[in-house]
Amino acid sequence: QQPVQSPQAVILREGEDAVINCSSSKALYSVHWYRQKHGEAPVFLMILLKGGEQKGHEKISASFNEKKQQSSLYLTASQLSYSGTYFCGSTFSTNAGKSTFGDGTTLTVKP
Amino acid sequence: GAVVSQHPSRVICKSGTSVKIECRSLDFQATTMFWYRQFPKQSLMLMATSNEGSKATYEQGVEKDKFLINHASLTLSTLTVTSAHPEDSSFYICSAREYNNYGYTFGSGTRLTVV
Repeated sequence: QQPVQSPQAVILREGEDAVINCSSSKALYSVHWYRQKHGEAPVFLMILLKGGEQKGHEKISASFNEKKQQSSLYLTASQLSYSGTYFCGSTFSTNAGKSTFGDGTTLTVKP
Repeated sequence: GAVVSQHPSRVICKSGTSVKIECRSLDFQATTMFWYRQFPKQSLMLMATSNEGSKATYEQGVEKDKFLINHASLTLSTLTVTSAHPEDSSFYICSAREYNNYGYTFGSGTRLTVV
C-alpha cells in the first residue's frame, strides 16, 4: 500500500523545472508532500484532498488526479534551496489516522 | 504553525540498555502521534500509532515489547527502545497532526547509535 514515487532522483540546474509523481494502487483520500534535508526531519509542503484539487505556493505546486490515483509535485524555476529528498504521504478512505510514505525522490539543484 | 519537539536529538548507548525518546506537541493537543524509523537513504517506515490514554497500535513486524510507547497526556508521547542492540541504530522520528486536513508536523528526529 506504499505509494510509488518517480523518478528516484533528479539533477537540475538552477532555474530549471521538475515534476515528481506519486501514484497508488489503492484509492487515495489525501496526498501530502514533504521535503527532507540531509540529517533533518521532513518538512510539510502541502496537502491535497480527494476531489482533484491543485495547490501551490510560490514556485512549488501540486495536483491530485483522483481518477488516476496520482499526485504530481511541480517545482518551477528551481532554486538551490530546493535540493533535498521529496516524499509523498498518503491516507486512504479517511483523512484521519496513519499515513504511508513513498520511497522518496532525491532532487539536486546545481548552480 | 504546529510545532513538535523531540528529545534527545542524538543518543549513543551501550548494547543491552534502554533509551527513552520524548515527543511533545508544543502548541496543540495531539490525541494521536506517530513513530517512524528511517534508515539512511530510505523512506519513513511507520512503526506505531500512539493513542492518548490507550494502547499503541503497532505495525506488522514491529515488536511491541521492544519498542514501548506511552501516550500519557495530550501533548506527550514517549518511545522506549528496550535492550537496545546495534541493529536498532537508526533515525527515529515522531509526528502529529493539528487538524485532520493539515499535514503532519514532524519532530526533529533522534539519531540512535547502539555500540
